[in-house]
Amino acid sequence: NAGVTQTPKFQVLKTGQSMTLQCAQDMNHEYMSWYRQDPGMGLRLIHYSVGAGITDQGEVPNGYNVSRSTTEDFPLRLLSAAPSQTSVYFCASTGRGSYNEQFFGPGTRLTVL
Amino acid sequence: GEDVEQSLFLSVREGDSSVINCTYTDSSSTYLYWYKQEPGAGLQLLTYIFSNMDMKQDQRLTVLLNKKDKHLSLRIADTQTGDSAIYFCAERGGSSNTGKLIFGQGTTLQVKP
Repeated sequence: NAGVTQTPKFQVLKTGQSMTLQCAQDMNHEYMSWYRQDPGMGLRLIHYSVGAGITDQGEVPNGYNVSRSTTEDFPLRLLSAAPSQTSVYFCASTGRGSYNEQFFGPGTRLTVL
Repeated sequence: GEDVEQSLFLSVREGDSSVINCTYTDSSSTYLYWYKQEPGAGLQLLTYIFSNMDMKQDQRLTVLLNKKDKHLSLRIADTQTGDSAIYFCAERGGSSNTGKLIFGQGTTLQVKP
């Protein structure tokens, strides 16, 4: 199993550009989520999905869209990038089980100029 | 709302014990977790504790849970330089069947040789 994979690893955008951060998992997990990590603020939930076709907003959803057409993939779209979206983005997936371990991808470091 | 708080920084000498503290607000939390993040990497689950337990020990790691005070701690015995990382406390709310976790800000542990 590859676990949770994310692409790209690094990205630089100009203000106003759009892009999609890719996330995939091969563990057949139902629950997937996107976080952003900023210094001193921990991880903040952007969007999450409890299964294919179902998504919901987290704590900081503005400026981001998600979709979940398959169990494996959960892309995050930045519609019009802003410098405030400069951050490290992590995708995670969680399987059903007694303690619901959340598996994280390696992250995408995004800079918006 | 749900909230998890941690101190931001801890410095110890190699061989000493480290204690990282966390407080949370959701009294219905079912599971509480400790994640470790090494530089440039995603988060990895270190250990977890179910809310009906007071203590859990796993090799050098000891987790203590004071449910009355909503306080969680992680003790690392014989701290090594390889333990230098950011440690995140997280909780899974009692009403959450979605795997959604709330993370603290993270505590940076610096281990001096």
